[in-house]
Amino acid sequence: GNSVTQMEGPVTLSEEAFLTINCTYTATGYPSLFWYVQYPGEGLQLLLKATKADDKGSNKGFEATYRKETTSFHLEKGSVQVSDSAVYFCALIRGAFGNEKLTFGTGTRLTIIP
Amino acid sequence: GAGVSQSPSNKVTEKGKDVELRCDPISGHTALYWYRQRLGQGLEFLIYFQGNSAPDKSGLPSDRFSAERTGESVSTLTIQRTQQEDSAVYLCASSRPGGSQHFGDGTRLSIL
Repeated sequence: GNSVTQMEGPVTLSEEAFLTINCTYTATGYPSLFWYVQYPGEGLQLLLKATKADDKGSNKGFEATYRKETTSFHLEKGSVQVSDSAVYFCALIRGAFGNEKLTFGTGTRLTIIP
Repeated sequence: GAGVSQSPSNKVTEKGKDVELRCDPISGHTALYWYRQRLGQGLEFLIYFQGNSAPDKSGLPSDRFSAERTGESVSTLTIQRTQQEDSAVYLCASSRPGGSQHFGDGTRLSIL
């Protein structure tokens, strides 16, 4: 079946540091890949997505590239801010982007210190 | 409202009691999903409704769990004879055809 494995947290970084949160997946066919974010006290929000190999999703300075050869979708940001402190979830949908259930990783808690 | 609305936001109940959780999706969203997040774990899919099609119940963990949705409106997730392992945050999401899933703030369920 489908599965997502992401970097275990918690991750603590200083402001302006470079961020990478690793995510790898197992899926048949050609899944669509997502990063969701949950800020303290808020609901889960879509951060970015990619629907085919070599696509790069980006939003709020974050980027992730769909790498089919390594089955990865690592999240990166060049200079993190305190406001980026949150829990980040990598997820996939089987097949093309559409009405399908999401398979999530366990989440990575990120804390940015000033 | 503008977003997915879930109620109650918190529910504390005794083991063995039944509970009902409610989800009000975004207007016009034909698909509705229920997920569960237990402490320290990722989100687990429970059930998925798409319009008037038969729901995908493949994620329901036992026959104590059931869900209903009438048309494209409100959904109710019912847990009968609750157990302590049912303690979790229950999240609802909705989407348009081909669109992103939008999540509610969840119901935090605690079984004493």
